[in-house]
Parts: sequence; structure tokens; C-alpha cells
Amino acid sequence: ETGVTQTPRHLVMGMTNKKSLKCEQHLGHNAMYWYKQSAKKPLELMFVYNFKEQTENNSVPSRFSPECPNSSHLFLHLHTLQPEDSALYLCASSPSGLAGSEDTQYFGPGTRLTVL
Amino acid sequence: RKEVEQDPGPFNVPEGATVAFNCTYSNSASQSFFWYRQDCRKEPKLLMSVYSSGNEDGRFTAQLNRASQYISLLIRDSKLSDSATYLCVVNSGGYNKLIFGAGTRLAVHP
Repeated sequence: ETGVTQTPRHLVMGMTNKKSLKCEQHLGHNAMYWYKQSAKKPLELMFVYNFKEQTENNSVPSRFSPECPNSSHLFLHLHTLQPEDSALYLCASSPSGLAGSEDTQYFGPGTRLTVL
Repeated sequence: RKEVEQDPGPFNVPEGATVAFNCTYSNSASQSFFWYRQDCRKEPKLLMSVYSSGNEDGRFTAQLNRASQYISLLIRDSKLSDSATYLCVVNSGGYNKLIFGAGTRLAVHP
């Protein structure tokens, strides 16, 4: 399935590095999301974009910086991360993220991030 | 109280067994409910939406009780391939903000 793709699939970085995660959806959706999944914890919503506009920032530290240049692409820029930021970062998309919508979200395969 | 609570399991059942998972949610204003399945080291995938009238998809039956804020998933005739973590998911309103439970792990053995 290639509806939502993410690169890289695995990333190891030091605390002083700067890296970016990329997500692309080929489904014609208007809403995109970043989630974090740590070991033995529920998925945590990080950011929501609707029609390229950020509509949710779930109290995410500023060392995570999202960017949505168009409805098909979503980036997560990382800088000065901490070891506790090591997790699976999942991107998702849905047809529309409008209030009250019941859209199903479709997930990409995720980027497994390790911060040393 | 967690927004979505699930029994973490694991549920270890033999092939052919019937197994039921339960989930409770705290936000009475929630409007949409789902079960997702997540295989080890993979992304979550939608299993089924949950409707007020209850719905069935093959061996899977989902029920919603709004008064009790309770969702269930019943799997009949379990297969080895059903082994996975089942995530209870609730829409908290606003911009399609989904709240995920921590998941219930199912292991089906021969």
C-alpha cells in the first residue's frame, strides 16, 4: 500500500543534529497529522494541518517544527532532540479535518527515530 | 482518568475461540468511534468504524453504548492472523482529533 509514504523509515541522530522527516500522501486528502508513538504508550497527536494551515499543536516542544507546503506533503523538522524523543513518528491523512467530520485517518509506515 | 481506556491484555486464545475487547471513553461529546489494528512494528490500520446501531464485518462485531460510554469489539472464530494489538479510537471533536487507547494485545495460538 502506498497511500501515505514516509521517509526515512529509520533514523539515528545525535542530540546536536538537525534532521527532517518527510510524509507524502497520494490520496487527495486535505488534512495531515503527525503522531508520536513511544514504547508501551498510546499514540499521541502532535500536529494537525487542514488545507495547509496548522489547526492543532498539542503542546509539542519547539524542538519539533512542522511544515506543510501543500496538502500532499508534510515535514517534521527536528533539532536538539533528547533521548526521550526516541519513538515511532507516524504521519496520517484524512479527506478533511473539518470540525465534526468523521473522516477515517490513514497512516504511513512511520519513521523509527533513535536519539543518542 | 485516561480519555480512552482499554485492558492491555495480552489475551492468549486458541484458534477458533471467540474473544471480546472492551473500551471506555471519558468525553461524552465524542461523536466518532473506531477500532484500529496495529501489527508489531507497523502502522495502525482501520479495522472498522463503530456505529450506534452496532455493526458487523465478517467475524468482527463492534458495539457502542453511548449512555455508558463503552465500546466493544467481538472477534469470532479467531485466526492466527488476528494476532495484533487492537486500538480503541475516539474522536474528541474539533478538527478530527483522534484519541487512541493504549491498545489490547491479542495472541492467537494453534
